[in-house]
Amino acid sequence: KAGVTQTPRYLIKTRGQQVTLSCSPISGHRSVSWYQQTPGQGLQFLFEYFSETQRNKGNFPGRFSGRQFSNSRSEMNVSTLELGDSALYLCASSLYGTVGTDTQYFGPGTRLTVL
Amino acid sequence: AQSVSQHNHHVILSEAASLELGCNYSYGGTVNLFWYVQYPGQHLQLLLKYFSGDPLVKGIKGFEAEFIKSKFSFNLRKPSVQWSDTAEYFCAVTNNAGNMLTFGGGTRLMVKP
Repeated sequence: KAGVTQTPRYLIKTRGQQVTLSCSPISGHRSVSWYQQTPGQGLQFLFEYFSETQRNKGNFPGRFSGRQFSNSRSEMNVSTLELGDSALYLCASSLYGTVGTDTQYFGPGTRLTVL
Repeated sequence: AQSVSQHNHHVILSEAASLELGCNYSYGGTVNLFWYVQYPGQHLQLLLKYFSGDPLVKGIKGFEAEFIKSKFSFNLRKPSVQWSDTAEYFCAVTNNAGNMLTFGGGTRLMVKP
């Protein structure tokens, strides 16, 4: 069974631009979560989607948004990019979306560089 | 709010040495505990998890962890490390309010052959 896939794998943008990242979960998985990984802040939760609805949101500004489609694929959008948005963005999917105890399977990430 | 601390940021061991990585969490309610590993150039993989029951949990590749509720700890152990265990290890928790993983800062382990 194919794992979580993320596209693109690498992105270079300039300040003020916007970017959309895509995540395809493992087949049959209904929950998709997004995380930001930086050397300074480590791994931080962005948001979780389940059945096309945002179920949880982390402590990030409104410039960060996401959505989930009926096939469980998810996209994350960052508008008005800032230098500090440079990071590895990780997507994780889980099967049941069971609150708290679901095992999350991570994708390889999208490396975003903001110049 | 919950938080996770991993006190060892870098650990260097020789092959066959025993490993123990510390993880402490802060949360007053029921937690679910995870250890993830990130090998060089690879994505995060689950090593083991604890939800309930026996506090000694066995995972893949010979790793185990013990949940000590009174100490708010979930330390990772391996009796004999191999060079291939070189990686970054992350402790994480969720609670029963949501699937959002709260991660510790990670521990970089280097195993010398």
